[in-house]
Amino acid sequence: DTEVTQTPKHLVMGMTNKKSLKCEQHMGHRAMYWYKQKAKKPPELMFVYSYEKLSINESVPSRFSPECPNSSLLNLHLHALQPEDSALYLCASSQWANSNQPQHFGDGTRLSIL
Amino acid sequence: DQQVKQNSPSLSVQEGRISILNCDYTNSMFDYFLWYKKYPAEGPTFLISISSIKDKNEDGRFTVFLNKSAKHLSLHIVPSQPGDSAVYFCAATPPGGTSYGKLTFGQGTILTVHP
Repeated sequence: DTEVTQTPKHLVMGMTNKKSLKCEQHMGHRAMYWYKQKAKKPPELMFVYSYEKLSINESVPSRFSPECPNSSLLNLHLHALQPEDSALYLCASSQWANSNQPQHFGDGTRLSIL
Repeated sequence: DQQVKQNSPSLSVQEGRISILNCDYTNSMFDYFLWYKKYPAEGPTFLISISSIKDKNEDGRFTVFLNKSAKHLSLHIVPSQPGDSAVYFCAATPPGGTSYGKLTFGQGTILTVHP
């Protein structure tokens, strides 16, 4: 059982829709992450939050908007996505956003853009 | 520019034998290395890690070896079990500063353990 919970597990949306992905952890971790994983590729980092503040944005298009309402929750707001944005979106958390701290992943949201 | 490389897309071993998964990296600033296992329809599961100040770390059946001069690490699984069949990702992270938390993954190796 994963300790990082992501909802929904699957999401199909049109290019004009607005939707949100949610991630929750109750391990007391103070760093949370969003990754994107395409088929047969490794996860690629999108955003890092440390103590609820955005610390890394890997030049992600503005149609992806992250939000960290509190230390346990991380959202990813989606708007006007493109078909190439279809992927598995993974959330992770770690004790702190520094080295020597493993990141623990949720099972992801499988996103399909029509 | 692929900074973490797993050159073997797949590996097949017999149950009870040793599985050796390899990983090479190019960024000499990396100082913390991790291995993750991923089953289909699940997120990556953390297995074992090693800091650059060590050359070996062991946890049960899993041992990670780090050769900094060769920029190479390996994961040994002994004995291998059918339940170990999964995709294994090597990952690395730099020491900090503006790159805090920036985990870079290799392409993954599909391990199949035959009964």
